[in-house]
Amino acid sequence: QKEVEQNSGPLSVPEGAIASLNCTYSDRVSQSFFWYRQYSGKSPELIMSIYSNGDKEDGRFTAQLNKASQYVSLLIRDSQPSDSATYLCAVFNTDKLIFGTGTRLQVFP
Amino acid sequence: EAGVVQSPRYKIIEKKQPVAFWCNPISGHNTLYWYLQNLGQGPELLIRYENEEAVDDSQLPKDRFSAERLKGVDSTLKIQPAELGDSAVYLCASSLVPGSNEQFFGPGTRLTVL
Repeated sequence: QKEVEQNSGPLSVPEGAIASLNCTYSDRVSQSFFWYRQYSGKSPELIMSIYSNGDKEDGRFTAQLNKASQYVSLLIRDSQPSDSATYLCAVFNTDKLIFGTGTRLQVFP
Repeated sequence: EAGVVQSPRYKIIEKKQPVAFWCNPISGHNTLYWYLQNLGQGPELLIRYENEEAVDDSQLPKDRFSAERLKGVDSTLKIQPAELGDSAVYLCASSLVPGSNEQFFGPGTRLTVL
């Protein structure tokens, strides 16, 4: 079992819709959770962090964490074509950031 | 504020040749990371430095890879000799505090080994 699992996609959504990206992790002691956005040919960019159960909102982005289910998600409201990228889930565990393989999001006009 | 700087951005070499990558972290960031990212995968940690000390190099293939951060600022990652399977993007990241989970990445070096 991989430490951090994501569906590779692609996830295709129309412009203006809500994109929902999901991630599960295996180590229950993980404390910090992150979403990075990576455009093709570019480096990962930190867009959200979440540390406690519940929702955290930042603009059009909402991160959701459920530690009991070992599940973290990212919602993107009012999706735009410029949101088309790969979204990497990362889990901080014992001084190390573990990344998932990423979900490719495509937002079509 | 300048971000993490890496050079070169692209490198093409033949197998068995040596190659080196350079990274300058964000000013004031004492922790520096080198990651390897293969196509379609997430970044994987190679080595982490706290100032000039390598505190986690467990994933660094030490038979051919080496790294240094002599003055606790910029860092160099070297591969000698390079193999075909080393073709990947090499990312450098830095964070403000030791073991911080908020890491900021440089643009990466795309290595192609022929």
